[in-house]
Amino acid sequence: QVQLVQSGAEVKKPGASVKVSCKASGYTFTSYYMHWVRQAPGQGLEWMGIINPSGGSTSYAQKFQGRVTMTRDTSTSTVYMELSSLRSEDTAVYYCARELRYFDWLDAFDIWGQGTMVTVSS
Amino acid sequence: DVVMTQSPLSLPVTLGQPASISCRSSQSLVHSDGNTYLNWFQQRPGQSPRRLIYKVSNRDSGVPDRFSGSGSGTDFTLKISRVEAEDVGVYYCMQGTHSWTFGQGTKVEIK
Repeated sequence: QVQLVQSGAEVKKPGASVKVSCKASGYTFTSYYMHWVRQAPGQGLEWMGIINPSGGSTSYAQKFQGRVTMTRDTSTSTVYMELSSLRSEDTAVYYCARELRYFDWLDAFDIWGQGTMVTVSS
Repeated sequence: DVVMTQSPLSLPVTLGQPASISCRSSQSLVHSDGNTYLNWFQQRPGQSPRRLIYKVSNRDSGVPDRFSGSGSGTDFTLKISRVEAEDVGVYYCMQGTHSWTFGQGTKVEIK
């Protein structure tokens, strides 16, 4: 079945970087864009950016420009989200979610990963 | 940036009674392609968000028909016709017309 399986929880020190993975299965990896969304403890959802696994093009939310990098590995059907210069405010659950672009509309966020908890603490 | 404002932020409901959540956007959500990209999500405690409604009023597969979405332009509504215990959680609207932004969330709980 269609699923997105994310990597396990991480604990990082302030100033470090973290790289979270999202492995897709059950569908054609390069046919769907992938979003990243995060959720701080007890807070709402925040969109971070999107990657096109076919060509690797990306678009990031202005808030994360310069600190986030999204990449993909088509050989393993995996996308990655790397966030650098971590601070305590980056403590959150990070989710991936897919998007399909039809010729006349786009269908986004129908399938989500299980989430990856990233804790930033000294 | 488009701001999405939900109300109420907390919604205590009686089992079997209806519930309604409002979502307003700071700009029209009609896209240049003619679609209105307004989605609704349910997030149960400890779970990933689950999409319920896409493009204002289209229910996702497997979503009970007691959930319905409506609205246009800048004003949208999610309705639950008869609340069940499994509906407890936080509900988010999200727009995808001008990049992507979420509402603050509405916590639905049983009275």
